[in-house]
Amino acid sequence: LAKTTQPISMDSYEGQEVNITCSHNNIATNDYITWYQQFPSQGPRFIIQGYKTKVTNEVASLFIPADRKSSTLSLPRVSLSDTAVYYCPSQSNTGKLIFGQGTTLQVKP
Amino acid sequence: GAVVSQHPSRVICKSGTSVKIECRSLDFQATTMFWYRQFPKKSLMLMATSNEGSKATYEQGVEKDKFLINHASLTLSTLTVTSAHPEDSSFYICSARGDSKDTQYFGPGTRLTVL
Repeated sequence: LAKTTQPISMDSYEGQEVNITCSHNNIATNDYITWYQQFPSQGPRFIIQGYKTKVTNEVASLFIPADRKSSTLSLPRVSLSDTAVYYCPSQSNTGKLIFGQGTTLQVKP
Repeated sequence: GAVVSQHPSRVICKSGTSVKIECRSLDFQATTMFWYRQFPKKSLMLMATSNEGSKATYEQGVEKDKFLINHASLTLSTLTVTSAHPEDSSFYICSARGDSKDTQYFGPGTRLTVL
């Protein structure tokens, strides 16, 4: 059964780059890796998705090594508004997303 | 990204009544929709998977007769909490995707409070 593991919490300061790593145990060959951001009392928001190597969009970068056993979400120059919970859910063989506890990122001024 | 809406955003009801929550995919056809619940400071817990035109598949421990799910069209799924009790108070979130390889997009959630 696929499962992901990520740090429970991280602290950072405004303007810093933040890297959150997720371990992907038993990731299936065809599965993409997806990261979501969630603010209190809101649904998760899609951030970025990748299969291997590096993907970059307007808000983040995603680094995936060749063995795909981990992924790193990189948030450049965080601001206070990036304080949120970040998830890298695993996928079941039927495509269901299984959420772990996520990483609570606290950005300080 | 694709847009998923939920209605209502908040609902308060009396114990014993039923509440219906709607989930709509606004700019894509959702072959599959998912329903989650989330308790304060906890992660999302998958309740059920619904495919358009089929009966929903419920996760272990989720009562199908209490949480009725209908996915009658490619843009709408509904969750009805029947005979609601205070312990059903939670944050209910839906997600939707096109085909099996598509990204899942989430709705904004519905806060249910049962008095």
